[in-house]
Amino acid sequence: AQSVTQLGSHVSVSEGALVLLRCNYSSSVPPYLFWYVQYPNQGLQLLLKYTTGATLVKGINGFEAEFKKSETSFHLTKPSAHMSDAAEYFCAVSVGGSQGNLIFGKGTKLSVKP
Amino acid sequence: NAGVTQTPKFQVLKTGQSMTLQCAQDMNHNSMYWYRQDPGMGLRLIYYSASEGTTDKGEVPNGYNVSRLNKREFSLRLESAAPSQTSVYFCASSEGFRGGRQFFGPGTRLTVL
Repeated sequence: AQSVTQLGSHVSVSEGALVLLRCNYSSSVPPYLFWYVQYPNQGLQLLLKYTTGATLVKGINGFEAEFKKSETSFHLTKPSAHMSDAAEYFCAVSVGGSQGNLIFGKGTKLSVKP
Repeated sequence: NAGVTQTPKFQVLKTGQSMTLQCAQDMNHNSMYWYRQDPGMGLRLIYYSASEGTTDKGEVPNGYNVSRLNKREFSLRLESAAPSQTSVYFCASSEGFRGGRQFFGPGTRLTVL
């Protein structure tokens, strides 16, 4: 069965510092992997996704993630945090490889200090 | 385009009452989904509809029913609400069922007393 583990329910960084949000997955089939962001009192927005091909995926707002099969990881990074990045971030894996059902991690709340 | 819309935005029910959460999308998407979000639990899939005319159970379907009314609309019904169903409910849609980006609505915050 597919599952997602996000390490750290809260991460705090200073403005301008590196953002690293960790995600590990388990999947019995080649995974499709996603990162979503949720701003307060809003729905989720897709940041980026990996399906096939290049393992380094670039998304919106300067975020990127690298699929590492050997480590079963899909960590999200951004070189320089901005105050507007404060939000909750969810990693997700598709059930059954390409199928649409998503299994979400429990989320990581990112705080950005001035 | 409005994207994915949900009504109502907020609702308070008493235990045992019933209600229907409405969801509509104007992107001509084939697949639609209902999730619930609880603190520290992430999002969990309740039901989904891979295409018009089909519905299937997700991870936490107990206590819920769904109807894919047409390609645009996908409703979620609570027949007899329980306090454990207090949650934020999100509807989502995607163009295809395979690897597609899901677009989320703004959510419905439901409290069951």
